[in-house]
Amino acid sequence: AQSVTQPDIHITVSEGASLELRCNYSYGATPYLFWYVQSPGQGLQLLLKYFSGDTLVQGIKGFEAEFKRSQSSFNLRKPSVHWSDAAEYFCAVSWRSNDYKLSFGAGTTVTVRA
Amino acid sequence: EAQVTQNPRYLITVTGKKLTVTCSQNMNHEYMSWYRQDPGLGLRQIYYSMNVEATDKGDVPEGYKVSRKEKRNFPLILESPSPNQTSLYFCASRPHAGGNTGELFFGEGSRLTVL
Repeated sequence: AQSVTQPDIHITVSEGASLELRCNYSYGATPYLFWYVQSPGQGLQLLLKYFSGDTLVQGIKGFEAEFKRSQSSFNLRKPSVHWSDAAEYFCAVSWRSNDYKLSFGAGTTVTVRA
Repeated sequence: EAQVTQNPRYLITVTGKKLTVTCSQNMNHEYMSWYRQDPGLGLRQIYYSMNVEATDKGDVPEGYKVSRKEKRNFPLILESPSPNQTSLYFCASRPHAGGNTGELFFGEGSRLTVL
């Protein structure tokens, strides 16, 4: 069965430091990959997505993610974190074979310290 | 403005008192879905609808009902709410039932507390 794993439940990072959030998925078929962010008390906002082509994708708010097929991973990165990046981040994956149902990881909460 | 609108945004109710969370989208999307979000579990799909009069169970459908009588509306019904249904609920939609990527457009969420 398809699954999405975010190994890190909580990450604390200093403002200005780099951030990397991990995401792994199971299942062999080519997935469609997404990262969403949920700020406190807010809904879900799409940060970026990968469908095909260049495996390094750029998103909003200075985020980028890299698709590595060999590792079944889609890790999210930001070179320099701002206090406003404190939020919960969700990796999500869909597969054509599953009618494009969007499956989510458990989420990673990011705390930014001054 | 293109959007998915949920109501109510916040609700506190008691066990057994029927409630409905409404969801409406103005983007003419065929596909709509309900998710619940719980700490440590991410978002789990409750029900989805490929089009009008076509609904199906997701991963956690127990205790919920849905209907899709119009393309724009997809209400979530809790006939007899229980405390384990205390959660944050999201409605979402996307343009096509198939030939798509799965990208969803989300509502703002409805926080439900069942006492």
